[in-house]
Amino acid sequence: ETGVTQTPRHLVMGMTNKKSLKCEQHLGHNAMYWYKQSAKKPLELMFVYSLEERVENNSVPSRFSPECPNSSHLFLHLHTLQPEDSALYLCASSQGRNTGELFFGEGSRLTVL
Amino acid sequence: AQKVTQAQTEISVVEKEDVTLDCVYETRDTTYYLFWYKQPPSGELVFLIRRNSFDEQNEISGRYSWNFQKSTSSFNFTITASQVVDSAVYFCALSEVRTGANSKLTFGKGITLSVRP
Repeated sequence: ETGVTQTPRHLVMGMTNKKSLKCEQHLGHNAMYWYKQSAKKPLELMFVYSLEERVENNSVPSRFSPECPNSSHLFLHLHTLQPEDSALYLCASSQGRNTGELFFGEGSRLTVL
Repeated sequence: AQKVTQAQTEISVVEKEDVTLDCVYETRDTTYYLFWYKQPPSGELVFLIRRNSFDEQNEISGRYSWNFQKSTSSFNFTITASQVVDSAVYFCALSEVRTGANSKLTFGKGITLSVRP
């Protein structure tokens, strides 16, 4: 059983929909991350939260909105997405934010029609 | 800027063969971490190893071994006597080391390894 749980595992949405991805970590970590994995491209870091404060936003379009209500939960709110946003969205956590050792969830496969 | 290059995109081997996955990196930092992650079909990336740039000793863990060559900026990964369960996408990654600051992982594009029975 993974220490980082993501729901839903699969999501299909239209461009006008609003949906959210959820991530929960059971490892007692204090940093959480959203990564985007597109086909044939390196993983792209989207957001980093450390102690519930956003510490990194890598020029991500505003149609992606993260939320970190506590150190165990991370959300990615989605609205008016584009087909090119279809990808695997991976959540990760770490103890501290400068070790580089991340624990990943299984990802949420998003398809935008 | 940091960069990780995994020139091999797909490798297919027969079970019990040895296979080496190549990784070449670029960084201006003198201190950094190197990583390998495995992504099985289930999706989650699984941490395999972290190596500090100061430590050039090769490492062996069961059937896995890593060869760090700072002179050629390479951190290659060898699986000995491969098994079907080794089939996955393998990512090499590089991270700066900065106290008190957020460290970024720069990933390569990954290598898809298929091990046939």
